Amino acid sequence: GAVVSQHPSRVICKSGTSVKIECRSLDFQATTMFWYRQFPKQSLMLMATSNEGSKATYEQGVEKDKFLINHASLTLSTLTVTSAHPEDSSFYICSARDRGGFYYGYTFGSGTRLTVV
Amino acid sequence: GDSVTQMEGPVTLSEEAFLTINCTYTATGYPSLFWYVQYPGEGLQLLLKATKADDKGSNKGFEATYRKETTSFHLEKGSVQVSDSAVYFCALSSSASKIIFGSGTRLSIRP
Repeated sequence: GAVVSQHPSRVICKSGTSVKIECRSLDFQATTMFWYRQFPKQSLMLMATSNEGSKATYEQGVEKDKFLINHASLTLSTLTVTSAHPEDSSFYICSARDRGGFYYGYTFGSGTRLTVV
Repeated sequence: GDSVTQMEGPVTLSEEAFLTINCTYTATGYPSLFWYVQYPGEGLQLLLKATKADDKGSNKGFEATYRKETTSFHLEKGSVQVSDSAVYFCALSSSASKIIFGSGTRLSIRP
């Protein structure tokens, strides 16, 4: 079945530094990727949607200059948290969707727990 | 806009009990419906899905039927196990291609 690899699984960084999270579709072409943020014991909040080769579309209230998303190929999307602060600490999850959408549905990565100290 | 409402948890059951987690949705058009499961510290895994009315999704003993007349997609399992303890999310995918999640239901199964 479809697999999405996300790494790192955990990262601790100092306040003010930047962190990059990678999301790769291993056995299918992910024409669309989604990035979510999940606070403890809460649901997933969609941050942005990216289509390969296009600029990401950000949800209302999400700072595009802080959360940089790149989707340069059909198998790789990255989320960079720039100038991270403790309030950016969260669980970030990516999701990939193939062209057909309903064939594989939406496949999720295993998540990245970011802690900013 | 589109939305998903699912029963609040936590839900605590004894092993081998019958499980129902209610989910209702609001959407324009004909969304696809999903149940995802999240184990502690992990991402989401697709549990089952249904793409049109009256479809029944099933996997690992779990079932859910797409009911257009009641706009529901309730999750059921006849006999739960301790290993089913997790958070369950009901979700829909609309023509806008986004997935909209419910708030999640935490399920705990006692041995």
